[in-house]
Amino acid sequence: KAGVTQTPRYLIKTRGQQVTLSCSPISGHRSVSWYQQTPGQGLQFLFEYFSETQRNKGNFPGRFSGRQFSNSRSEMNVSTLELGDSALYLCASSPPGGEYTEAFFGQGTRLTVV
Amino acid sequence: AQSVTQLDSQVPVFEEAPVELRCNYSSSVSVYLFWYVQYPNQGLQLLLKYLSGSTLVKGINGFEAEFNKSQTSFHLRKPSVHISDTAEYFCAVSDPPGYALNFGKGTSLLVTP
Repeated sequence: KAGVTQTPRYLIKTRGQQVTLSCSPISGHRSVSWYQQTPGQGLQFLFEYFSETQRNKGNFPGRFSGRQFSNSRSEMNVSTLELGDSALYLCASSPPGGEYTEAFFGQGTRLTVV
Repeated sequence: AQSVTQLDSQVPVFEEAPVELRCNYSSSVSVYLFWYVQYPNQGLQLLLKYLSGSTLVKGINGFEAEFNKSQTSFHLRKPSVHISDTAEYFCAVSDPPGYALNFGKGTSLLVTP
């Protein structure tokens, strides 16, 4: 069974640009969550989608948005990039049933803003 | 929201020695607790989880953790570590149970010969 796939693995963007990251969950998983990992702040929850609906949201500005498609694939978008958005962005999917009894993580997308 | 404190940012240990990585969470209400491991340039891998039931939880790679409700702790242990256990370890709580994860700051385990 394929794991969580995140694309691309690495990105370099210029301040002010926007970026879209993609996440394909494990087959059959309907919940997809996104996390930001930085050396200073650690792992922080961005948002969670379940059956195409945002179910839970962390404390990030509106420049961070996401969506989920009917096949459970998810995208995350960051507009007007700032230097502080440089981070490893991790996507996780959870088994059917809706609860967060276990989260499976992808390898992440490392975003560098210059 | 629940918070998690990992009491040690770095733990150096010799190969084949025992290790304990400490984790405390903020409240004694019902929680789900997790330990994840992250190797360099990788995502997170679940080591073990506590949802309910037995307070001693066994995970992969010989790790185990004990849920202690009165002390609001969930410490991770391994009786004999290997060089390959060198990694970053994260404790996390699901708050409310079944929802998003709140992570601790991580503990860097360095195993040397």
